[in-house]
Parts: sequence; C-alpha cells; structure tokens
Amino acid sequence: DAGVIQSPRHEVTEMGQEVTLRCKPISGHDYLFWYRQTMMRGLELLIYFNNNVPIDDSGMPEDRFSAKMPNASFSTLKIQPSEPRDSAVYFCASSLYISSTDTQYFGPGTRLTVL
Amino acid sequence: AQSVAQPEDQVNVAEGNPLTVKCTYSVSGNPYLFWYVQYPNRGLQFLLKYITGDNLVKGSYGFEAEFNKSQTSFHLKKPSALVSDSALYFCAVRDSGYSTLTFGKGTMLLVSP
Repeated sequence: DAGVIQSPRHEVTEMGQEVTLRCKPISGHDYLFWYRQTMMRGLELLIYFNNNVPIDDSGMPEDRFSAKMPNASFSTLKIQPSEPRDSAVYFCASSLYISSTDTQYFGPGTRLTVL
Repeated sequence: AQSVAQPEDQVNVAEGNPLTVKCTYSVSGNPYLFWYVQYPNRGLQFLLKYITGDNLVKGSYGFEAEFNKSQTSFHLKKPSALVSDSALYFCAVRDSGYSTLTFGKGTMLLVSP
C-alpha cells in the first residue's frame, strides 16, 4: 500500500483566500484523522471520521475550518477565508479501528503558509 | 482526561552512546502508549507501542521503550545512537476509555558524529 497520501505538499496563499487540503487514507482503514502541527501548540487533533461520518470536530478552531469525507478514499480540509495564523503543517492519518491498541498511520503532511 | 508530557525539548547525544527520550503520562484507566518519529519534512512514523504484557517493548530501528507503571513513564531508549536517529520524537497516550490519541509536544534528538 502507498500509505496515506496528502496533497499538495506545500501551499502558499494570501490572506482571505480559500485553501483546500486533500487526503487519501490507507485502503480499508475506517478511521481518518486531521491534525495540525505548530511550534507553539504542537500536534492538535482537529477532527476525525468513522466510515465517512464526522465523529468529533471539537478540535476545529473556527467556523472558517470545515472537513468532509465524501467517500472512503478521500477527505478534504477547507479553510475559508484563510488567515496568517492558520500557517502550519496539516497532517492526515488513518487507522483500521479506533480501539485503544490500534495504530494511526500518518501522511507526509501539507505545509501551509498564509501571507 | 488523558495527558502526556515530554519534559525535554531537546536531547543531545554523541554517536555510539546510549540515548533516552523521556515521557510521562496521566490517565484514569489503563494506558496505551505509543512512540512516533518525525524526520524533517516528513510525516510521523510509528516506532512502537505498549499495550500490555512485558514492560520492555521493542520497536523499529533498534529502539525500545520501558513502561513503568509506578512512575507513569514510558521512556524511549536505544543502546547505541546513530547520526541518522536525529529527528523529532513524539510520545502519545490513549486511555482505555478514550478513542483518540493525545500527543506530547515532541523532543528533538540530535546525535553528533
């Protein structure tokens, strides 16, 4: 398997623009997670899905952030409008189950810079 | 609630020397503990996990971790460090009653030649 795939790897945009990040989980994994990594706050869970359904979005910072999973092989994280403080690395991860013992596998991340 | 702490922002060690990266946790139930490594411009890679059983867990790239319930710790170790081990290391915990992982802030390991 190719692992978790994310695109783009780098995104530079201007404040106020819409940004869409994409993720393809490992085939057969029922859970998908979106994380944000910053120097100040470390790695934060934004939202996770089970079988394409959002389960917990309590980590989504503001209404400017939205995430969808239209099918088992694709998810998007959208920021509209973007702000400079959204600059971070965004990771997608997937896992087979969500039992306490299960392992999450991470994608390479998208480095977002908002000017 | 579940939480994890990595008390050191950075650990410096010479190549060939043993290394330890510290992690302590807090849970209300049984802890399930994980170590991940992040190389520059890469995603997090799974190293090892403790679920139950032997307190010494062996993982990828020669790393191991020791679970200590009385000290609520899960320190990552390697007998002989390599320059290529230089990376950012994350400890993570999941309480038996929780569905998501909580990550520490990460510890940068720098191995000098």
